[in-house]
Amino acid sequence: AQSVTQLGSHVSVSEGALVLLRCNYSSSVPPYLFWYVQYPNQGLQLLLKYTSAATLVKGINGFEAEFKKSETSFHLTKPSAHMSDAAEYFCAVSVVPTGNQFYFGTGTSLTVIP
Amino acid sequence: NAGVTQTPKFRVLKTGQSMTLLCAQDMNHEYMYWYRQDPGMGLRLIHYSVGEGTTAKGEVPDGYNVSRLKKQNFLLGLESAAPSQTSVYFCASLRGQSSYNEQFFGPGTRLTVL
Repeated sequence: AQSVTQLGSHVSVSEGALVLLRCNYSSSVPPYLFWYVQYPNQGLQLLLKYTSAATLVKGINGFEAEFKKSETSFHLTKPSAHMSDAAEYFCAVSVVPTGNQFYFGTGTSLTVIP
Repeated sequence: NAGVTQTPKFRVLKTGQSMTLLCAQDMNHEYMYWYRQDPGMGLRLIHYSVGEGTTAKGEVPDGYNVSRLKKQNFLLGLESAAPSQTSVYFCASLRGQSSYNEQFFGPGTRLTVL
């Protein structure tokens, strides 16, 4: 069975501080992992994805994530938070054998304090 | 390209009424999905389709029906709406069979059932 756990439903950071959003996955087969961002009243947009080519993945807006198989983790980081980063972030895993279904975490709401 | 569009953007129903949500994509994607988003629960898959004329159940299919008569459209129906179906509904599409392809999301439909 596939699942995603996001630790911390709410994270607050000061502007300019490090952003760390945690994601752990459970998958019976090699996973493909994604981070999506959702701004208020909008749909989800892709931030970055892991497709086994490289364990450190760089995405848009200065975000990156590292795939750690031993820890079954795919944490999202950004060295310096910007006010425009305030949004909801979702980690997701996809598995081909289940008809390309995507399994989403419950989301982490990021607040950036000026 | 308009990407993924959803109609309507907002709707208020009374218990027992029916309605259909329309999702359209102009990217010639094979796969389409309907999710619901509820606070603290992330996105949950309702139904999905791997091609024109095909549909399959997701995690929370009860109370919903879908149809994919044309490749570009994916309809979600509520035959007899219940307050528990108050939610934000998102449609998404996916190109091809590769799990590492990301989903493209529509802007959402906010449904309230009184």
